Amino acid sequence: GQQLNQSPQSMFIQEGEDVSMNCTSSSIFNTWLWYKQDPGEGPVLLIALYKAGELTSNGRLTAQFGITRKDSFLNISASIPSDVGIYFCAGRKGSNYKLTFGKGTLLTVNP
Amino acid sequence: NAGVTQTPKFRVLKTGQSMTLLCAQDMNHEYMYWYRQDPGMGLRLIHYSVGEGTTAKGEVPDGYNVSRLKKQNFLLGLESAAPSQTSVYFCASSYVASGGAVTDTQYFGPGTRLTVL
Repeated sequence: GQQLNQSPQSMFIQEGEDVSMNCTSSSIFNTWLWYKQDPGEGPVLLIALYKAGELTSNGRLTAQFGITRKDSFLNISASIPSDVGIYFCAGRKGSNYKLTFGKGTLLTVNP
Repeated sequence: NAGVTQTPKFRVLKTGQSMTLLCAQDMNHEYMYWYRQDPGMGLRLIHYSVGEGTTAKGEVPDGYNVSRLKKQNFLLGLESAAPSQTSVYFCASSYVASGGAVTDTQYFGPGTRLTVL
């Protein structure tokens, strides 16, 4: 079953605000990934993290791989309306190519 | 490149009917996956394939069958649909990098919304 706990489940923010969401697990993952799903579309990879403690940015997005390898967070700065969507964390163990997904955070941005 | 395409986009079935969902990718990817997405449940892996002619079970395989007769196509079948199979189904693919490792980037199709009455 699901091994990743993602929070919050949903967020409603004003344009320009910063956003933070996180993902935790009871087991260790060797890779953490963050995906975004636009309404009516499939998920698209935003950021991939491969080392404990790693901090990686992609434009206004910043994600970190927790030092315990059991958690990760994603920050979005200065949110804009097109940030609306569902954000998923996903983890991969070792060389196993299968991904375990969190349940998602639904983000709504009010212009 | 069209990327990953899925057919059909929408379908309504009656309980007990059968159907096949088609996934096609034109990126020559080795790995292909079928997920289902339910409200509040995220994405759950149904079946996957590591190459033409091979398939394997994922997290929630019961009630589904798959086939990968051609590298570019991955078919998901429902032999006897049940209301619990009402969901949005996503296909994805990924490739093997030059060093032999499967990449983390899974390319997703647009999804098929299935309703079973």
